[in-house]
Formats: sequence, C-alpha cells, structure tokens
Amino acid sequence: RKEVEQDPGPFNVPEGATVAFNCTYSNSASQSFFWYRQDCRKEPKLLMSVYSSGNEDGRFTAQLNRASQYISLLIRDSKLSDSATYLCVVNTGFQKLVFGTGTRLLVSP
Amino acid sequence: GAVVSQHPSRVICKSGTSVKIECRSLDFQATTMFWYRQFPKKSLMLMATSNEGSKATYEQGVEKDKFLINHASLTLSTLTVTSAHPEDSSFYICSARDLGGVLTYNEQFFGPGTRLTVL
Repeated sequence: RKEVEQDPGPFNVPEGATVAFNCTYSNSASQSFFWYRQDCRKEPKLLMSVYSSGNEDGRFTAQLNRASQYISLLIRDSKLSDSATYLCVVNTGFQKLVFGTGTRLLVSP
Repeated sequence: GAVVSQHPSRVICKSGTSVKIECRSLDFQATTMFWYRQFPKKSLMLMATSNEGSKATYEQGVEKDKFLINHASLTLSTLTVTSAHPEDSSFYICSARDLGGVLTYNEQFFGPGTRLTVL
C-alpha cells in the first residue's frame, strides 16, 4: 500500500464548478499535512497546510480526519488558472515529506 | 523571502559522464536541504536529506556512491550524479526549510528543479 494515495484524475470541470479531491495516508504517526500545487514541468508550491479543525483560504478549503487518515481539498468557483496537479503531502516526521502522485485538474471555459 | 535556486535548470549529457546540480538558499540559511527525484507522471520521491557539515542521509534504495551530496555551507548543497545512465534521466528538485521564518518555519521551499536527460 502506498504511503499517500490519491485519485490521479484527471478531473475535467467547467469554470465556476466546485471540485473535491481526496487523499488517504497510511502512517498514523504522521504529524502534518499539506496540499501542494504543481504546474507542468515546474516545482511544487505550497497551496495550504491542513489542520484537524479544517481551514479555508479563499476558494480553497482543506479538511483532515485523523481517525480515518483522510485529507480533502475543496475548490469552489473553479478558475482556468486552477488547472494543475494537486499533490497531497504528509510529513511523517523529521521533516520528511511523502508526496502522493497528485490529482490532475483541468478547468475548461 | 525564502527563495531557493537550482542550477542548471536543464542538462543533457552522454552516458557515463557525471553531472553536478547546485541548490542554493538565496535569502536564508538552511542547515538541512532535501533532494527529490520525479519521473514522468510519478510522485516526488525523497532521495536524501542533506545536512550542513555532515554526511547526507539517504533513503532506502538510493545509492550513495552514485548520488554524491555535499552540503558545505548553510546556503549551498550539491548533488552529483556520477556515471549517469539513461535511467537516471529525471526531474531533480531540492528543497530547504527556513527555520528563521516565523510564518513559514514549517514550510519547505522548493527549487525550480533540474531536468536531466542522459543520452
């Protein structure tokens, strides 16, 4: 079983749609959680950290369920510029980040 | 702030040659840097943790004699791919933490990556 699992997609949505990505992780001792965004042939960039209480940043909402070892990302009112690959990332300790394979999002006009 | 650079951005070399990739933290000091590798349509995989002034810590399955890491200063880590072969062709990315960043202390900042093609 992979340490971090994501649906690879792609998710094809029209502009303005709401889209949700899910992620599961296997290491129950994982300490912190993130969503990164990666554009084609570029480095990943931090989108947001994920907290148990849930957190929101504009159109983006992230949730963490430690009991189920499940992380989610919700994007509302999708923009064309949201097209990218979204990486679920887990810090398993000592700042070691484990990346999911990413979920590709394509937002069309 | 918290900018990480990599050089070169792209390199094409012949099989059997060695390639050195530099990773620099431009506006902060990094006692620890990380080297990742990403194959097409695959996730980033941590190769090794580079520690300033000491030996790097390699992940299981990564050959330390093939991927030489040197972290001689608080702002520079280098990865040398020795005797490169076509199967080493990949996207190599480094990252670093800015431990002095009050708002960003838990964040890893990534370099722009180096695309290596071995012919």
